[in-house]
Amino acid sequence: GAVVSQHPSRVICKSGTSVKIECRSLDFQATTMFWYRQFPKQSLMLMATSNEGSKATYEQGVEKDKFLINHASLTLSTLTVTSAHPEDSSFYICSAGQVASPLHFGNGTRLTVT
Amino acid sequence: AQKITQTQPGMFVQEKEAVTLDCTYDTSDQSYGLFWYKQPSSGEMIFLIYQGSYDEQNATEGRYSLNFQKARKSANLVISASQLGDSAMYFCAMREGTGNTPLVFGKGTRLSVIA
Repeated sequence: GAVVSQHPSRVICKSGTSVKIECRSLDFQATTMFWYRQFPKQSLMLMATSNEGSKATYEQGVEKDKFLINHASLTLSTLTVTSAHPEDSSFYICSAGQVASPLHFGNGTRLTVT
Repeated sequence: AQKITQTQPGMFVQEKEAVTLDCTYDTSDQSYGLFWYKQPSSGEMIFLIYQGSYDEQNATEGRYSLNFQKARKSANLVISASQLGDSAMYFCAMREGTGNTPLVFGKGTRLSVIA
């Protein structure tokens, strides 16, 4: 089945620095990818929809200047958390899939900002 | 309004018994898909089962079955013959419309299987 790869799985960074998370679709072309955030003991919340070759669509309340999304190819989307702060510490997970099919998820990135 | 409602924050089940996890949904779209995912403590999201809004038969995948009641807008997950490895968070989710739309998740149910 379709596989989505996400890297890194875990990152610790200092407050004020930026972190880039990569999401790759390994065996299919993904014109659309989705980025979710999950705080401890909570559900997955959609942050943004990443569209290949165009701007991402952000959900209400998500700062587009803080969470930069680039989807430059049909197999790669990146999420950059800029000027990270401790409140950005969370589990970030990407997903992709075909229409009317299950979305496949990367293994997630656990971000800790100190 | 919540699009996906899971009313059971936690459930316990004896090993080898069956368990039902509840899910109700809210949508005005005629075309939608309902999904269940399992999330173990490692964090990965494991797809379990899918039901399309036009599917007349309930979906089944091994020990998993989806009890789809369209008029009641419910899509309950039934796990038969529970195993210790089934202990995890379970999320009900929906994709609305006919395009490449995102999943919207419920709050989840933590299932604990007891030996």
